[in-house]
Amino acid sequence: QVQLVESGGGVVQPGRSLRLSCAASGFTFSSFGMHWVRQAPGKGLEWVAVISYDGSNEHYADSVKGRFTISRDNSKNTLYLQMESLRAEDTAVYYCAKDGCSSTSCFHEHWGQGNLVTVSS
Amino acid sequence: EIVLTQSPATLSLSPGERATLSCRASHSVSNYLAWYQQKPGQAPRLLIYDASNRATGIPARFSGSGSGTDFTLTISSLEPEDLAVYYCQQRSNWPTFGQGTRLEIK
Repeated sequence: QVQLVESGGGVVQPGRSLRLSCAASGFTFSSFGMHWVRQAPGKGLEWVAVISYDGSNEHYADSVKGRFTISRDNSKNTLYLQMESLRAEDTAVYYCAKDGCSSTSCFHEHWGQGNLVTVSS
Repeated sequence: EIVLTQSPATLSLSPGERATLSCRASHSVSNYLAWYQQKPGQAPRLLIYDASNRATGIPARFSGSGSGTDFTLTISSLEPEDLAVYYCQQRSNWPTFGQGTRLEIK
């Protein structure tokens, strides 16, 4: 079965960096687009970034563009999110999500359990 | 950016009742719309994709409809375990989510 396991979260000071990882198993990782989605405490879901199946294309939400970098290592079945210049408003649970696609569109078919990032001095 | 507006913000119903949740898009998204359920303390789960297709393992009491800018998620007969926040998401452009509808079970 599909498993997505995030790691790397924790408490970090404003302005510092952090890298999240998402270890994937149970499917052919190199065949699917992958996303990061976050949820601030008590708030709704916010899409953060996407990377294509082969890593050749990326796109970011305006709120993180220029500060966050999504990447993947298909040989290790792992997705990453490098977060720089962190701000208090980046405090959230970060989910990785695997795309599934029908003949017409794609959607977040599977989700990890989430990993909390707290930006605080 | 395509903005999704969900209504109502909160819905309080009894078991066995019918729940109707709305999602309105600021621009047409065709049928590129999904619904997700997030139970307390859990990750979201895909319910509906392409506006009206149930995801694998989703009970038949969940159904989706709509196209263009107006979409509806219907739960035909509420069960206590349907307590959750429900989000719509469009994939016509870069993904965006609605702000969610909280479903309370009386």
